[in-house]
Amino acid sequence: DSGVTQTPKHLITATGQRVTLRCSPRSGDLSVYWYQQSLDQGLQFLIQYYNGEERAKGNILERFSAQQFPDLHSELNLSSLELGDSALYFCASSVWSSSYNEQFFGPGTRLTVL
Amino acid sequence: ELKVEQNPLFLSMQEGKNYTIYCNYSTTSDRLYWYRQDPGKSLESLFVLLSNGAVKQEGRLMASLDTKARLSTLHITAAVHDLSATYFCAVDEGGGSQGNLIFGKGTKLSVKP
Repeated sequence: DSGVTQTPKHLITATGQRVTLRCSPRSGDLSVYWYQQSLDQGLQFLIQYYNGEERAKGNILERFSAQQFPDLHSELNLSSLELGDSALYFCASSVWSSSYNEQFFGPGTRLTVL
Repeated sequence: ELKVEQNPLFLSMQEGKNYTIYCNYSTTSDRLYWYRQDPGKSLESLFVLLSNGAVKQEGRLMASLDTKARLSTLHITAAVHDLSATYFCAVDEGGGSQGNLIFGKGTKLSVKP
């Protein structure tokens, strides 16, 4: 158990819908990352937040957005869902310094878009 | 754009044999991470390599980093079935200003009796 929690574990929805994925980082970690894992794209970095502020953006679609709240939990919002958005979404957290960035991953949310 | 390449992508081994997984990357980073993922599960941190020449060992796995060659290796000694999993290497892209990791495609290891 990494100490990172994610809800829900599974989500099944229809095309065009909107969903919210939630992540709570390990105690003491200020940085939260979102990754998407699919068979064809592998593990792709989506977005990073540090202490409530967006720090880095990766291959995140405009239909996707995220935020980190004052209690440091984070939410990833996916809208206008398409079949191709079906994937495993991981949240990770880290202490993060300029010299050390070991990230601890949550159990993931498996999203299925029908 | 930072690229991380692993090879092989698939590895079928017999128990008791040794093998090495290679991870090449395209930037001058001195921070490299190895993760393990079991089917349908999350990623588990295995090793953190933070400088040229770093070597870490845990059980039958040993990881090393050569920043000049931009190469990390994960060596498996006397493989056992429990090591069957997918192994990912990841490089820290940000260089201190941001912290996202760029992952290789993973090496799916299957250890057979």
